[in-house]
Amino acid sequence: DQQVKQNSPSLSVQEGRISILNCDYTNSMFDYFLWYKKYPAEGPTFLISISSIKDKNEDGRFTVFLNKSAKHLSLHIVPSQPGDSAVYFCAASAAGNQFYFGTGTSLTVIP
Amino acid sequence: NAGVTQTPKFQVLKTGQSMTLQCAQDMNHNSMYWYRQDPGMGLRLIYYSASEGTTDKGEVPNGYNVSRLNKREFSLRLESAAPSQTSVYFCASSESWYRTDTQYFGPGTRLTVL
Repeated sequence: DQQVKQNSPSLSVQEGRISILNCDYTNSMFDYFLWYKKYPAEGPTFLISISSIKDKNEDGRFTVFLNKSAKHLSLHIVPSQPGDSAVYFCAASAAGNQFYFGTGTSLTVIP
Repeated sequence: NAGVTQTPKFQVLKTGQSMTLQCAQDMNHNSMYWYRQDPGMGLRLIYYSASEGTTDKGEVPNGYNVSRLNKREFSLRLESAAPSQTSVYFCASSESWYRTDTQYFGPGTRLTVL
């Protein structure tokens, strides 16, 4: 049973606009969340994290928002660039440290 | 500084054959992991090694064995491959098992079992 869900398999956005990638989770014990980015034929690379004591974390063009009551997090990329075209995975963990990954959203940024 | 390396990049096996996937990291990390990625399933943890000399099961360990050969190397063995083990396998490492330590992933091994 998938505990972390990314319901949009793909997303297309114009260069310069905002990309919003969404992630939902079912386990209320999850309290630490990550986003990874993956290019074809490469392994995932860490992008940004957020702890449940926060509802927002920013790193340059990337911002992650956490809505604990809705069990929902989102990744905002502003402005989107063609180099952002990749598959994005969210992941969540509870105190046991193992991460559970979503199925990924493929982002295409159109020049 | 190569980071995390995996061999082979591609492999085709017949049902029942065995093979070992190799992983090495040069970042002096204590913890290492094996994941599999399947369509529609995301990455799932197979086994991990929190530190040299220890290994533990993850979410989907059945059909696999692991060996933490030394601090650098962590191998994954399929004793009798099955079509259900067709997947992309990723090795990762991190400074420690603590979840706030970033995991660094290798490029993956694409395995097909016929």
